[in-house]
Amino acid sequence: EIVMTQSPATVSVSPGERATLSCRASQSVSSFLAWYQQKPGQAPRLLIYGASTRATGIPARFSGSGSGTEFTLTISSLQSEDFAVYYCQQYNDWPPLTFGGGTKVEIK
Amino acid sequence: QLQMQQSGPGLVKPSETLSLTCTVSGGSISSNSYYWGWIRQPPGKGLEWIASMYYSGRTYYNPSLESRVTISVDTSKSQLSLKLSSVTAADTAVYYCARVGSSRGTRFFDYWGQGTLVTVSS
Repeated sequence: EIVMTQSPATVSVSPGERATLSCRASQSVSSFLAWYQQKPGQAPRLLIYGASTRATGIPARFSGSGSGTEFTLTISSLQSEDFAVYYCQQYNDWPPLTFGGGTKVEIK
Repeated sequence: QLQMQQSGPGLVKPSETLSLTCTVSGGSISSNSYYWGWIRQPPGKGLEWIASMYYSGRTYYNPSLESRVTISVDTSKSQLSLKLSSVTAADTAVYYCARVGSSRGTRFFDYWGQGTLVTVSS
């Protein structure tokens, strides 16, 4: 099983600032990495797939990078609606499909 | 626009079987481009993939749950079902149905149900 580790667990950012979230895989997942956003009481929403491709309707301030075992999600200028929990998911190898433990982006 | 509507009880007794249904509309559950699956999230915790199934019957399970999980697809009703047997308090979670691509490069979840909180308690 590929273990996904996200850091930090919580990041405090002021509106308008940049947030950088990390995701590490226990073995290479190539570029088969997705990012999701989850707000309280809601289902996760797909943001990024293929490590760097934005899903339909996702604003350009969200960007993903990385390959192999190290990945980054960057939110260039945080808006109020971006404060949420973010998860990475690998899909290079299954079963199982595995998620990271999440990073909470909170208001500083 | 694809929609996935979940239904099922929110309370299950320990040792019994959890049963949930997900009805798909706005798209075909018989598409050869997608699997249909279940993911759960214990309160305050992260996401755990449970299983995914192709309309033809091919199924993949999380090894950690495989012995207790049964999923099925009813193409005539456009429904996906989950059964989890011998539940304990550790199975208390929000359960989501979701669509996942069938090829290696598309196995991410692009549509999700609204989630059902299932509490295991006597």
